[in-house]
Amino acid sequence: NAGVTQTPKFRVLKTGQSMTLLCAQDMNHEYMYWYRQDPGMGLRLIHYSVGEGTTAKGEVPDGYNVSRLKKQNFLLGLESAAPSQTSVYFCASSYTTGESNEQFFGPGTRLTVL
Amino acid sequence: GQQLNQSPQSMFIQEGEDVSMNCTSSSIFNTWLWYKQDPGEGPVLLIALYKAGELTSNGRLTAQFGITRKDSFLNISASIPSDVGIYFCAGQLGNQGGKLIFGQGTELSVKP
Repeated sequence: NAGVTQTPKFRVLKTGQSMTLLCAQDMNHEYMYWYRQDPGMGLRLIHYSVGEGTTAKGEVPDGYNVSRLKKQNFLLGLESAAPSQTSVYFCASSYTTGESNEQFFGPGTRLTVL
Repeated sequence: GQQLNQSPQSMFIQEGEDVSMNCTSSSIFNTWLWYKQDPGEGPVLLIALYKAGELTSNGRLTAQFGITRKDSFLNISASIPSDVGIYFCAGQLGNQGGKLIFGQGTELSVKP
């Protein structure tokens, strides 16, 4: 199993450009998450999904949109990139629901917005 | 919103030394998780704790779920160079779609 994969690994955008980050998991997990990681701030949740066709806002959703059309894929979109969105983006997925939750992370996408 | 305070922010130790780091919160959590992140990689789960007072080991790593449910610590014994990385605690509140709240991370450097 590949686990959680993310594409692309690196990307440079100009302010105002748009792009989509793709996350795929082959573990048949119900839940999927998008985080951003900035120095000294840990990981902050952008959006998440508890199942195919559903999405919800996390801690820092502004400027991002997501879609979960297939159970194994979770897309993160930036409609009009801003320099403040320069960050490392991580996707994660989990199977268990309820009280216990172990999230498995992808390798990350490093995004720079000029 | 909920916040986790993780300390220390960084540690520089000699190979063979023991390491201790902790997380505290103003909120009560149902689950505490400890992750390690190597440079250029995503976080990898080290230990998961599900009950208040629970003490769990994974090799040289030991973690505990605080009795008050508001804190957790991670100990690493006899550190080795491959322990270098950033360690994150994460807490989960019940019934919130599996969402985790992450600490700011502890960056560990081990000198051979």
